[in-house]
Amino acid sequence: DADVTQTPRNRITKTGKRIMLECSQTKGHDRMYWYRQDPGLGLRLIYYSFDVKDINKGEISDGYSVSRQAQAKFSLSLESAIPNQTALYFCATSDPGGSSGANVLTFGAGSRLTVL
Amino acid sequence: QQQVKQSPQSLIVQKGGIPIINCAYENTAFDYFPWYQQFPGKGPALLIAIRPDVSEKKEGRFTISFNKSAKQFSLHIMDSQPGDSATYFCAASISNFGNEKLTFGTGTRLTIIP
Repeated sequence: DADVTQTPRNRITKTGKRIMLECSQTKGHDRMYWYRQDPGLGLRLIYYSFDVKDINKGEISDGYSVSRQAQAKFSLSLESAIPNQTALYFCATSDPGGSSGANVLTFGAGSRLTVL
Repeated sequence: QQQVKQSPQSLIVQKGGIPIINCAYENTAFDYFPWYQQFPGKGPALLIAIRPDVSEKKEGRFTISFNKSAKQFSLHIMDSQPGDSATYFCAASISNFGNEKLTFGTGTRLTIIP
């Protein structure tokens, strides 16, 4: 099983619909992140969380919200999806106390979202 | 404002050649420079990373060259293979701040042809 699991892997929805992307991890990491990938723009940070009670906005948080339900679960919501939110979304984790160091991100396989 | 500029956007190299991907940064406080490799349908994964106290780091066929004065760093892949075909992202951060300050480049889609 993957260390970081994202569901759904693919989703097509319509403008105005509410969408939730879910992420769960088995690595035991406290830190979790949501990134968005667009062609030619690289990876941009949407939200991040250092523990269950800690939620922080990233570079492009407008139009998104998150929930950290447990140490292992971090979900991303689009309250009213719009076409320019069509993108590939990645969840990631990191462990500042681990042997690999604080700056190593472990990514999920991604959720491809299309908003029509 | 893009703090890490990556080029080229795409690159096609014949098997055995040495693809070179370049990145330039603006913030002189950056002190950690990782490269992530992403295969189709997968998430990025850390490939190799360097800190500015060294000018070069090698791991297998992958080498990072770092030029602090020019604020540039590059990835070289020796004896490239079709299995190296992937998208490569450079990144930069200030290590004391962690991943929330990690800035990615725009990515390079590398294709190695047999």
